[in-house]
Amino acid sequence: DSGVTQTPKHLITATGQRVTLRCSPRSGDLSVYWYQQSLDQGLQFLIQYYNGEERAKGNILERFSAQQFPDLHSELNLSSLELGDSALYFCASSASPGGLNTEAFFGQGTRLTVV
Amino acid sequence: GQNIDQPTEMTATEGAIVQINCTYQTSGFNGLFWYQQHAGEAPTFLSYNVLDGLEEKGRFSSFLSRSKGYSYLLLKELQMKDSASYLCASPTSNSGYALNFGKGTSLLVTP
Repeated sequence: DSGVTQTPKHLITATGQRVTLRCSPRSGDLSVYWYQQSLDQGLQFLIQYYNGEERAKGNILERFSAQQFPDLHSELNLSSLELGDSALYFCASSASPGGLNTEAFFGQGTRLTVV
Repeated sequence: GQNIDQPTEMTATEGAIVQINCTYQTSGFNGLFWYQQHAGEAPTFLSYNVLDGLEEKGRFSSFLSRSKGYSYLLLKELQMKDSASYLCASPTSNSGYALNFGKGTSLLVTP
């Protein structure tokens, strides 16, 4: 158990809908990262928050947004969902902002299926 | 960007040794991570190298050559449970130093 908690574990929704994925980082970790993993693309970095502020953006679509709350949990909002958004969404956390020797701990993921 | 390349698939026999290679672009290097991921599960940390050479941890070892932009993960005495995807990753400046992952090497261990 990495200490990172993601809910829900599974989500099935229709195209055009909006969903919210939730992540609680390990106790004491200030950084939260969101990744998308689809079969053909591997783990793609979406966005990072550090202590409530957006720190880095990766390949995140404009239809997607995230935030980190004062208690350090984070939410990833996916809107106007398309079939291609079906994937595993992972949250990871680390103590530091990133870079040298920054091991990230991953949650168990949310499997999103868009039908 | 920092492309990370690794073979897509490998197969090895139980009890054998396998080496999984990874190459990366060397600009702005901040260390090289290896993660293991079983199908449908979370990636879990295996090793981190920032200096050249071999780091050994039980059955798993990881090697780094910074000048060549090259790393490998060595798995010894393979067990069936080692069948998984092995992900090479590095913090990159174009991702704000969040981990940038390769597509992973799917290792199948056969009896």
